[in-house]
Amino acid sequence: AQKITQTQPGMFVQEKEAVTLDCTYDTSDQSYGLFWYKQPSSGEMIFLIYQGSYDEQNATEGRYSLNFQKARKSANLVISASQLGDSAMYFCAMRERAYGGATNKLIFGTGTLLAVQP
Amino acid sequence: DVKVTQSSRYLVKRTGEKVFLECVQDMDHENMFWYRQDPGLGLRLIYFSYDVKMKEKGDIPEGYSVSREKKERFSLILESASTNQTSMYLCASSLGRPAREQYFGPGTRLTVT
Repeated sequence: AQKITQTQPGMFVQEKEAVTLDCTYDTSDQSYGLFWYKQPSSGEMIFLIYQGSYDEQNATEGRYSLNFQKARKSANLVISASQLGDSAMYFCAMRERAYGGATNKLIFGTGTLLAVQP
Repeated sequence: DVKVTQSSRYLVKRTGEKVFLECVQDMDHENMFWYRQDPGLGLRLIYFSYDVKMKEKGDIPEGYSVSREKKERFSLILESASTNQTSMYLCASSLGRPAREQYFGPGTRLTVT
């Protein structure tokens, strides 16, 4: 069965430093997608970054980059130059393969709570 | 920008009541999803829909039903609310198959007493 594992329940980082949030996944599919979402205390889930399994380069979006290591089945999120507004829960997710005419579902990890300290 | 709205941010209901949670998206997305979020469990998929009047069970459909009569609206129904359904409920939508990112609403925090 497909599964996402986030082993860090919580992390601290100093403002302006970089931080890496870990994510490992388990799938037997060759084609899949990996996502990171941010959830501030307000509750809304915000899409950050996407990596396709066939993408040769690591995805980047501004201060966010995804360290994709396919052989190790890891998709770690790197946030550079942390800001106080980065304090939030971060979720890693994987798109499951769809069967028939159905769309793809996402499966989520349990999240990592990041606290950025001044 | 995609806008996904949910009818309530906070809701308090009594055990046994019928509860309707409404979700509306304004970007003509085919796919819509309902999740519940509980501490330590992440997001778990309840139901999803990839077309009007179509619905598929997610991982935890027991105790819930859904309705999608119009493309932009996806309703989650708790036929007889129970205390173990106290949770944060998140609606999402996405475009295409395979879909890329899902866009989420602000969530409804439901308390069943």
